[in-house]
Amino acid sequence: SQELEQSPQSLIVQEGKNLTINCTSSKTLYGLYWYKQKYGEGLIFLMMLQKGGEEKSHEKITAKLDEKKQQSSLHITASQPSHAGIYLCGADISGSARQLTFGSGTQLTVLP
Amino acid sequence: EPEVTQTPSHQVTQMGQEVILRCVPISNHLYFYWYRQILGQKVEFLVSFYNNEISEKSEIFDDQFSVERPDGSNFTLKIRSTKLEDSAMYFCASSRLVNNEQFFGPGTRLTVL
Repeated sequence: SQELEQSPQSLIVQEGKNLTINCTSSKTLYGLYWYKQKYGEGLIFLMMLQKGGEEKSHEKITAKLDEKKQQSSLHITASQPSHAGIYLCGADISGSARQLTFGSGTQLTVLP
Repeated sequence: EPEVTQTPSHQVTQMGQEVILRCVPISNHLYFYWYRQILGQKVEFLVSFYNNEISEKSEIFDDQFSVERPDGSNFTLKIRSTKLEDSAMYFCASSRLVNNEQFFGPGTRLTVL
């Protein structure tokens, strides 16, 4: 079984629409990190969540970590073509904070 | 804004050759990491490094791999005898403290022929 599952695998939305990407684990997420990656390029840090129930926002992107610390969501409001890319969740599931386990990513396409 | 840099951006090598991938972490960061991503697959942790020692490593990081901080700014990953399956994008990352955000470099694409 996958340690960190992301859904959906891909998402195509019309510009201006809202969308949500989910990241789920059967284990406690001691730290949950959201990154954006353009194909073949590096990972751009978006947000980090550590406390159950925590929510952070930056511009039109909001990330939440549930109270049980096993699920996180990334919500984009009024999507734009610049939001297109691969969104990755990475998590510290060992508790050591020295390694991240990544999900398989969500490919987001925003149609103008 | 400070960022992690990596060189080269692309490295092509013959199977069995040694390669060294170089990284310059963000200057006031204390923890350094290497990850890799085989084409079409997940990003995988290789090793973390702190205070001139390996603090954690994955099963992938076998005796063929080594890391070093040869001076105050560089952090290197060496693969002694490359295999075809080592072909991947290798990412360096750094964090200020162990529980802080990990910032990634742009990656080195390693192609083993």
